[in-house]
Order: sequence, then C-alpha cells, then structure tokens
Amino acid sequence: GEDVEQSLFLSVREGDSSVINCTYTDSSSTYLYWYKQEPGAGLQLLTYIFSNMDMKQDQRLTVLLNKKDKHLSLRIADTQTGDSAIYFCAETTGGSYIPTFGRGTSLIVHP
Amino acid sequence: NAGVTQTPKFQVLKTGQSMTLQCAQDMNHNSMYWYRQDPGMGLRLIYYSASEGTTDKGEVPNGYNVSRLNKREFSLRLESAAPSQTSVYFCASSEQGSTGELFFGEGSRLTVL
Repeated sequence: GEDVEQSLFLSVREGDSSVINCTYTDSSSTYLYWYKQEPGAGLQLLTYIFSNMDMKQDQRLTVLLNKKDKHLSLRIADTQTGDSAIYFCAETTGGSYIPTFGRGTSLIVHP
Repeated sequence: NAGVTQTPKFQVLKTGQSMTLQCAQDMNHNSMYWYRQDPGMGLRLIYYSASEGTTDKGEVPNGYNVSRLNKREFSLRLESAAPSQTSVYFCASSEQGSTGELFFGEGSRLTVL
C-alpha cells in the first residue's frame, strides 16, 4: 500500500471550515508537511509539524498530529475561494531526508 | 530572488525525439530533485542529487537521465520520448539539515505524441 494516503477530493462552501486528512505508515516520521499547489503552479510549503508536536496553529491553519493512529489533518478556518487548490501531505523519516508525498487532495470551494 | 527556474514551460515532442529539461536554483541548496506529476498519481520522484557530483534513482527513473552540472543546475534528459512520459515535470531543491522544505519550480508540461 501507499506510504502516505489522502482522499482525492473535498468540496466545501465558502466561509465553512475545511478539514483535509492524511494517514501515513512510517512510525519514524521526523517532519510532516502540508504543501499547496495552485492551478498551473508548483508546490509551496504551507506549514509543517515536527513529529514530537501534537498541534500547530498558524492564523487560519491548524495542523493536528495523532502519532498513535499515524494521522495528520489540516484544518482551514473560514475557507475562501482563494483556498481552492491541491493540498499534498508529505513526510520525512529518520532514514531519509527525501519527503514521501501523498496523491494530493483537490479542495474545491464554492460560493 | 528567482528561486527555482525551469525551462521550457511547455514542450510537444514526437515519439522517439529527445529533449532536456533545464533547472537552476539560486538558493545555494545542496540537494535537487526531479518529480513528475500525473493525474491521480501525485508526485513521483524520478531522480535526485544529494550534492554536487552525485545523482541517484528515485521511484520512476526508467527512460530518463540526469546531470548535476554544478551546484546550481540539475537537468533531466529524455533520450527517446514515449507517450507514457507525457506529464508535468517539477524540479525542486532543498537544504539538508534544515526542516527539509522543498522549493519547487513552476513546472514543465511535456506532451509526447
């Protein structure tokens, strides 16, 4: 199976909260990341969390890490149409500095 | 500060033709990468270079070659293009020992007919 799994699509209404979920298999993760890809562009790092943390908040973004269940989530509060993009979960592990990416979740925000 | 620059942005090839995708970064990063992105498949690592003078295969290296020309530049070559190589290609760079953040170029969209 895949090392990092995400659902492929999420549709939300403008102003609602979005929650994008990710599961991973390697318990030796060091960093976990959320990247954002806008249409026609490359990926940009949105936020990251070190594996010894449970939560990280940055303005409208909240990252939750459940190490027991190997589950990572990204919550976007007050979702705007500008948040429409593909969101990639990624991890690095103790054995490698090269991140493993999930397949990406397409977030569609409609009025 | 340009970051990671890829050329060309778009290219159409016929089956069997060859071409080279160029990538340059101005952040003095040691590590550079080439990924391909296909619908529903996410990002797959083709080749990477941990430092100047070294290259290693990633997940999907068949049909590609790379050259780490110097610390700034990392090129990807298709010797005999196939329709299965139709994809969007991304170059990225990173600094080892930091948070591991990858900095990506804007992508090169390649179509092989």
